[in-house]
Amino acid sequence: DAKTTQPTSMDCAEGRAANLPCNHSTISGNEYVYWYRQIHSQGPQYIIHGLKNNETNEMASLIITEDRKSSTLILPHATLRDTAVYYCIVRVAFGTASKLTFGTGTRLQVTL
Amino acid sequence: NAGVTQTPKFRVLKTGQSMTLLCAQDMNHEYMYWYRQDPGMGLRLIHYSVGEGTTAKGEVPDGYNVSRLKKQNFLLGLESAAPSQTSVYFCASSYLRVSRAGELFFGEGSRLTVL
Repeated sequence: DAKTTQPTSMDCAEGRAANLPCNHSTISGNEYVYWYRQIHSQGPQYIIHGLKNNETNEMASLIITEDRKSSTLILPHATLRDTAVYYCIVRVAFGTASKLTFGTGTRLQVTL
Repeated sequence: NAGVTQTPKFRVLKTGQSMTLLCAQDMNHEYMYWYRQDPGMGLRLIHYSVGEGTTAKGEVPDGYNVSRLKKQNFLLGLESAAPSQTSVYFCASSYLRVSRAGELFFGEGSRLTVL
């Protein structure tokens, strides 16, 4: 699976959009981009995933560049409860079980 | 639905003792996983299972054994605990369907301390 690079930490004011970048320049054509988050001491939580097109769900939006070498997770109106570590992961779209590799992620701090 | 349930949530062991962590899921998922997370680090895959009766090694399997006798349960065993196994252990499960296979559902974690 391709390696990802994320900033170590970011801050965001409550109510503003949080834009979390991820670089995955070695991504292959059959690899999805996944985003998870981990709120303090809890198990990671799936947020969203995509292959080529931008995706949106009730939690967030995922913007993938046309060359697929980077992506941005957008939390449109960040709240204090969004303070967490956010993991960007790429994995092969098919085959065996999802042996997701979690790096150290981006620690997002949402402030008043 | 309870989702993914781990027991126990906390445990303190002495070096050399053995124990088993139990993971149970009620979503009829084929895939199940055990991860460990050490302070300041990401999650590392210990073992995983692609179905009842099957298991495979992950990134850091040494010192652990697993069993998947029933589809809904995935057990992680420590035969002779060592201080290096002090960690938070997370179990997860996922769908068989390719389009959702990367959507893992995690338990709340089991905090293990080995003295």
